[in-house]
Amino acid sequence: GAGVSQSPSNKVTEKGKDVELRCDPISGHTALYWYRQRLGQGLEFLIYFQGNSAPDKSGLPSDRFSAERTGESVSTLTIQRTQQEDSAVYLCASSLDSSGGLTHTQYFGPGTRLTVL
Amino acid sequence: SQKIEQNSEALNIQEGKTATLTCNYTNYSPAYLQWYRQDPGRGPVFLLLIRENEKEKRKERLKVTFDTTLKQSLFHITASQPADSATYLCALPRLNSGYSTLTFGKGTMLLVSP
Repeated sequence: GAGVSQSPSNKVTEKGKDVELRCDPISGHTALYWYRQRLGQGLEFLIYFQGNSAPDKSGLPSDRFSAERTGESVSTLTIQRTQQEDSAVYLCASSLDSSGGLTHTQYFGPGTRLTVL
Repeated sequence: SQKIEQNSEALNIQEGKTATLTCNYTNYSPAYLQWYRQDPGRGPVFLLLIRENEKEKRKERLKVTFDTTLKQSLFHITASQPADSATYLCALPRLNSGYSTLTFGKGTMLLVSP
């Protein structure tokens, strides 16, 4: 596609439910990132995928959060047993190969707004 | 831990004036710094990247400076327009990530009135 797409655009769920958020990166981009942005706050790094390398999960806030990526395509971010504090916009970005100290531009999707009631 | 500070108060200026936004960082010596623009309800959009050996970078009406001694970057928009109204984020390579990931500031909202 022309840009990074994310679905759903909005998700309202009840506390304790599991949610799955999807990201379709730009074709050919081997690097993929997930961020969380709470209202009025900056972007908080969650996880980074680069090709077939082990993902950098150091930003995941708890073991309720997990993410997967199949090859160099779609990624899903799963939040289990959602809490009200998980309410935020979840942004996905992709870039060309970012390994080896290269500094490639990150292209962001529009985000998924998650509301936990 | 690394810290990035951007003015949390919105910057209000009149159309045609130059807007100057500040990004300060501590506990770090980044090899580069990036600036992004974020409009409400949208993801950030990359604007400029400046490397540690570059003092200044320009792109159309945008100018970025990078002072590694002061640990500060200034972002200027000349001849500002109402369409420039947005939140501007600075981003640095995330510490100990091998430059593979970024840490973002909270951003400064710019409001340009006609």
